[in-house]
Amino acid sequence: GQNIDQPTEMTATEGAIVQINCTYQTSGFNGLFWYQQHAGEAPTFLSYNVLDGLEEKGRFSSFLSRSKGYSYLLLKELQMKDSASYLCAPGKGANNLFFGTGTRLTVIP
Amino acid sequence: GAVVSQHPSRVICKSGTSVKIECRSLDFQATTMFWYRQFPKQSLMLMATSNEGSKATYEQGVEKDKFLINHASLTLSTLTVTSAHPEDSSFYICSASGRETSTDTQYFGPGTRLTVL
Repeated sequence: GQNIDQPTEMTATEGAIVQINCTYQTSGFNGLFWYQQHAGEAPTFLSYNVLDGLEEKGRFSSFLSRSKGYSYLLLKELQMKDSASYLCAPGKGANNLFFGTGTRLTVIP
Repeated sequence: GAVVSQHPSRVICKSGTSVKIECRSLDFQATTMFWYRQFPKQSLMLMATSNEGSKATYEQGVEKDKFLINHASLTLSTLTVTSAHPEDSSFYICSASGRETSTDTQYFGPGTRLTVL
């Protein structure tokens, strides 16, 4: 079976750093995706980790530990537009993703 | 690159009617397309996966006779909600993966909000 655990909601201040954690158990695993979803819109791709370690992409970084079934998304220099849901999606690859309920991040001034 | 469009973006229909939603990959060939449904404040729920030219694979609990999926070409998939009822009101999102995308990932369309009266 599949089990994905993320905090339901987080609040952070504009300009700060926030880390969104995700633990998972899946029946098959090749890599882990992070998506951003603004309210009423479709998800947009943020990152894909296959190997252990940290991958940095601008203000967003994503970390993966395969042995621990753990990932996090790190957002730096938070902006108001970063208020959104962040979806952790482990899977066997692009054609086999499992989505959790996501973490709703609210950025406050 | 890797743009997916969906049409219509919003539809309101009467109970008992059928609604067709189109999903197109605009700049790549989508060998696989996915249809999701999302209720407010809930997770994306995969409804079905379709490969071009073959029958869709439906997830458990999704009625294939109610949600008809056609993936006739490498750039187009359609979802038809037949005999829609108010409980079918939801946000329907398609995604696609395939050749010529820069990353092995799914690219999502903008979604279709269906309201059944």
